[in-house]
Amino acid sequence: GQQVQQSPASLVLQEGENAELQCNFSTSLNSMQWFYQRPEGSLVSLFYNPSGTKQSGRLTSTTVIKERRSSLHISSSQITDSGTYLCAMDASSGSWQLIFGSGTQLTVMP
Amino acid sequence: DTTVKQNPRYKLARVGKPVNLICSQTMNHDTMYWYQKKPNQAPKLLLFYYDKILNREADTFEKFQSSRPNNSFCSLYIGSAGLEYSAMYLCASSRDNYAEQFFGPGTRLTVL
Repeated sequence: GQQVQQSPASLVLQEGENAELQCNFSTSLNSMQWFYQRPEGSLVSLFYNPSGTKQSGRLTSTTVIKERRSSLHISSSQITDSGTYLCAMDASSGSWQLIFGSGTQLTVMP
Repeated sequence: DTTVKQNPRYKLARVGKPVNLICSQTMNHDTMYWYQKKPNQAPKLLLFYYDKILNREADTFEKFQSSRPNNSFCSLYIGSAGLEYSAMYLCASSRDNYAEQFFGPGTRLTVL
């Protein structure tokens, strides 16, 4: 099965509403990252969050390693927040690669 | 400077022709990675260098080659491009295998 379960797959909000994106991991992890994927496919790193809570502007990431989950909270969403958000885990099994979730497609409507 | 640079940003190639993509970083990172990203799919790791040691994923072993002439540069080489190689290619680097990965802007490859 998939090692990284990301939800929801898509989310539509009205401008100003909050968004909560979730990632659950089926295996132990060392750390995880949240990315924003630009329309052309390039990735922007939002958070590198091995554990705990990190905040940057309207974005907050919380990772609970013991529970194998991480969330990304977007407060007061704006139209420019629209796009795809990806989480990725760095497994503790000795693997070197980031294992990505399938992404959340966020659409913020005016 | 935490940027990873990639050249070219866009590449058009003919079927059967070789393709060489370049990545550079000045963070003195030990590890450099190449990912392939297709629309509606998660990025897929193709290979990575830890220092001078190249590790290639089993299912892409024969399709992609790479070189790392020094710590800063890493290339991705396709000997004979096929239509299925059309994708965004993302380079990333990290201090070591468990550290944060920094991604470049990507090279969009279109094979015709």
